[in-house]
Order: sequence, then structure tokens, then C-alpha cells
Amino acid sequence: GESVGLHLPTLSVQEGDNSIINCAYSNSASDYFIWYKQESGKGPQFIIDIRSNMDKRQGQRVTVLLNKTVKHLSLQIAATQPGDSAVYFCAENTNAGKSTFGDGTTLTVKP
Amino acid sequence: NAGVTQTPKFRILKIGQSMTLQCTQDMNHNYMYWYRQDPGMGLKLIYYSVGAGITDKGEVPNGYNVSRSTTEDFPLRLELAAPSQTSVYFCASSYSDRYEQYFGPGTRLTVT
Repeated sequence: GESVGLHLPTLSVQEGDNSIINCAYSNSASDYFIWYKQESGKGPQFIIDIRSNMDKRQGQRVTVLLNKTVKHLSLQIAATQPGDSAVYFCAENTNAGKSTFGDGTTLTVKP
Repeated sequence: NAGVTQTPKFRILKIGQSMTLQCTQDMNHNYMYWYRQDPGMGLKLIYYSVGAGITDKGEVPNGYNVSRSTTEDFPLRLELAAPSQTSVYFCASSYSDRYEQYFGPGTRLTVT
């Protein structure tokens, strides 16, 4: 079936560096994409979203890029901090109210 | 606002027992969801609801049932618990399927 997947299960960066987390999706009908952050022992928390009529969206220290041609989504975190250490999930929405989540990328920030 | 609340936080069940996981949201969201998350994995959708009185199956509905009698509440029922249902269960809600979901803190369930 169609699903959202992540290119790398783990990512380790130095504090202060930029982080890039990637996501591949396979459902060309998906028109809404969300990045979530999940800290240990907690539920996922919304970071940023993007709709399919956009290529880029910026938030505070985070940027999401959407490439519909190759069905690729990325999350960029600027000046990564220890508090950014978590598991990051991308999710895609088609119609009928459902989200499909990828397996997640674990980001570790080294001091 | 409390957001999405879930009870209990932890539960241990014996094989064959039944239980109901409670979920309540106070944001007046129409959409509500139940997910399970196995260790090191992503979230799998069990059931979802687009409004009171309307529910539909997700990716992994077998062994579970839901009801949605009010906008606020979306309980998940486990009948005849099996070890394969050991997982962390998250409830979520959203304004619509084109807006972000708000998640509860989760229920950690162990079936032995």
C-alpha cells in the first residue's frame, strides 16, 4: 500500500549546526503534509505544515520544502539545539480524513 | 484548555480481558483519531471519526471498536486482549483533515 517513509532512521548533528530530515511519499493524491516532533514518553507535537500548492514554508528556525515532482518532503532545522533532540515524523493527508505517518527519524544533538 | 486527555496512563491486562481507553478533547474538533505506536515505529491509524455518530476503520482496526456519541469523547474498546495489542495508544483530534492534529499523552498498554 502507499505509505510515507523516511530516508534515514537516525541523524546526529553538532549543536549549532543545521539539520535536514528527509521524507519520501508515494501517494500523488496527497495534498497536505505535516511534520511532527515526538519527545520521549510524549505524544507527537505539530511543528509545521505545507499544502501542495506551496513549495516552501518557513517557521521559527524550521523550514519545510516540498518537491512534488519527486514526491519528497524535507524539514530543515536551523542552529540545532539540544532541545531539538527527538523523533521527527512526516505525515501526509489525502481525502477522507486520514493521515499516514512515516516511521520517523531520531535526531540526536551533540553538545 | 486541557486539549486532548487520555485515561489511563498505564494499564496491564491479562490475555482475554477487555478494557476501554478513554479520550476527551475540549477544542470542539470534529475529527478524532486513535493510533497505536509500537517501539521504534511510526503511528498506525486504528479508527477515526469525522463527527459525532460517524466512525471509520483505519489501517489496523482488528481487535478494536470505537464509538462517537458526542463531539468531545472518542473511547476505544479492546475486546479479548492479545499480546499483539501491547503498544502505546494515542488519541488525537483536529479541526479538519487539512489541519494539524493535537495528540494526547498516550496510554501504555501491556497484555500478558
